[in-house]
Amino acid sequence: KNEVEQSPQNLTAQEGEFITINCSYSVGISALHWLQQHPGGGIVSLFMLSSGKKKHGRLIATINIQEKHSSLHITASHPRDSAVYICAVASNFGNEKLTFGTGTRLTIIP
Amino acid sequence: DAGVTQSPTHLIKTRGQHVTLRCSPISGHKSVSWYQQVLGQGPQFIFQYYEKEERGRGNFPDRFSARQFPNYSSELNVNALLLGDSALYLCASSFGLGPQFFGPGTRLTVL
Repeated sequence: KNEVEQSPQNLTAQEGEFITINCSYSVGISALHWLQQHPGGGIVSLFMLSSGKKKHGRLIATINIQEKHSSLHITASHPRDSAVYICAVASNFGNEKLTFGTGTRLTIIP
Repeated sequence: DAGVTQSPTHLIKTRGQHVTLRCSPISGHKSVSWYQQVLGQGPQFIFQYYEKEERGRGNFPDRFSARQFPNYSSELNVNALLLGDSALYLCASSFGLGPQFFGPGTRLTVL
């Protein structure tokens, strides 16, 4: 079993729909990251969370430390949101080694 | 300010050759991490350097080595290349324990 599991692996939705991507992890963590990767490989850091909830524009990320679970939500989805979304956890304070999930490929259809 | 930069963008090598990949962190960032992303998979941690010292190493063979220079830039070296080393190599920098900022990656193809 991978230390970081994401679901779904693939998600196709219509423009405007509310999107939820889930991440579960099995190790103790110091922080959880949500990343966005576009075709061509470039990775953008969306959020770093250690507790609670963060919001940036149409993106919302939540984390439940007790349940070892995080969700990334996209409101009013748009075709430009199409990308691979990756959850990654930093397991030790003082060492920022990230363990990554395999990603969720999101496609938003106009 | 420039983001994390990596060079080269693309590289084609043959089996048995050696390769050096370079990374320049965001100005002021002292930590650099290297990741390997094979097609269709999530990135895998290779190395982390902080203040020119290795702070972490992933499960990669000794053919992989890295170093960090006084200006905090970093090199990743891979010797005796194998076909399976074909991947996107990502560099990320951070100030300390904060968010990591990723470079565009170097796509290595081993023939």
